[in-house]
Amino acid sequence: AQTVTQSQPEMSVQEAETVTLSCTYDTSESDYYLFWYKQPPSRQMILVIRQEAYKQQNATENRFSVNFQKAAKSFSLKISDSQLGDAAMYFCACDCSTGNQFYFGTGTSLTVIP
Amino acid sequence: DGGITQSPKYLFRKEGQNVTLSCEQNLNHDAMYWYRQDPGQGLRLIYYSQIVNDFQKGDIAEGYSVSREKKESFPLTVTSAQKNPTAFYLCASSTDSQETQYFGPGTRLLVL
Repeated sequence: AQTVTQSQPEMSVQEAETVTLSCTYDTSESDYYLFWYKQPPSRQMILVIRQEAYKQQNATENRFSVNFQKAAKSFSLKISDSQLGDAAMYFCACDCSTGNQFYFGTGTSLTVIP
Repeated sequence: DGGITQSPKYLFRKEGQNVTLSCEQNLNHDAMYWYRQDPGQGLRLIYYSQIVNDFQKGDIAEGYSVSREKKESFPLTVTSAQKNPTAFYLCASSTDSQETQYFGPGTRLLVL
């Protein structure tokens, strides 16, 4: 079975500082996609960043970047210059099965301290 | 504006009652999905559909049913067989099954 593990249920960061959220996954596929989604208190799921496994270059989107380690099956999210609006639940997800299913981690709750 | 809408925002179910959650998208996406979210857990897939008139069970399909008669619509029925339906339900769509999924605002289902 495909699994996605987020080992940090809660994290906090000082405003303007940098924080890294961890994610590991398990798959036997060689080509797959990885995602980070943000879920603010409104509960709307918002795409933060996407990584294609066949690309060696780490994806970046403004203040958000990933550290993708394919051999280690690790996919961490780095948030630079943290802002109050970054406070949310963050979910790691993997589209890494032949059954075309996304698998989600259990989430990391991020608090930004003013 | 293009997007995914879900209705209602809150839904109350009585014992033994079937209820239907609506999901509509105007993004011209082929694939649509239903997830259930419980506290402390990630999203779990209930059903998905890659094309009109076709759908597959996800990991937790028991007690749920779906239809896909139109490309834009993918309603989810929570049947009386679902013994623990209280949860937050999210609908998503994507251009195809390996592309980014975009989510609706969700429906909160509560049992009276």
